[in-house]
Amino acid sequence: DAEITQSPRHKITETGRQVTLACHQTWNHNNMFWYRQDLGHGLRLIHYSYGVHDTNKGEVSDGYSVSRSNTEDLPLTLESAASSQTSVYFCASSLVRTGFNEQFFGPGTRLTVL
Amino acid sequence: GNSVTQMEGPVTLSEEAFLTINCTYTATGYPSLFWYVQYPGEGLQLLLKATKADDKGSNKGFEATYRKETTSFHLEKGSVQVSDSAVYFCALSDPGNTGKLIFGQGTTLQVKP
Repeated sequence: DAEITQSPRHKITETGRQVTLACHQTWNHNNMFWYRQDLGHGLRLIHYSYGVHDTNKGEVSDGYSVSRSNTEDLPLTLESAASSQTSVYFCASSLVRTGFNEQFFGPGTRLTVL
Repeated sequence: GNSVTQMEGPVTLSEEAFLTINCTYTATGYPSLFWYVQYPGEGLQLLLKATKADDKGSNKGFEATYRKETTSFHLEKGSVQVSDSAVYFCALSDPGNTGKLIFGQGTTLQVKP
């Protein structure tokens, strides 16, 4: 069965360190998205990609970067982790951009920055 | 701009009670509307959707009707179960066809036996 996985599921790091969160999907979807989930804010879009070598900034992209070298993977990098980046991070993918563009979500990564 | 507003939680109900979670939206154009559910420790999964005005989405006993005149997409269930305890997110598709979803802040539902 097709799926979307994230690793690690839990991560504790220190302020100033670089951290990379992995996202891998086997749906063969072109569109991939990274969100962070914080109490009272719902899900906020960090970065997204429409295909290989394409990346776009979302509403809360400062301090984060992504790269897309193949269809399956969209790793999220925190260049210099800050305590404000403590959050739960979700990766998602979708087949289409128009109309009924259901997104399929991974299980999430809980990141704590000390 | 485009946005989604959900009723604040948490919502606490007894088993077999009637559930309504309000969702209203602001959008240009004609977005698709979604309800996603997040069970504890898991990612979001699609619960139901509607793609045009007056469409009714339904799944697992939950229903929501796309009301263009009131810009609403309220989630209802006639008789909740303990297993329905989760966080529910209302979302709309970006009318600009970017593939992005715009989410409400989420409503936590707790059902007690």
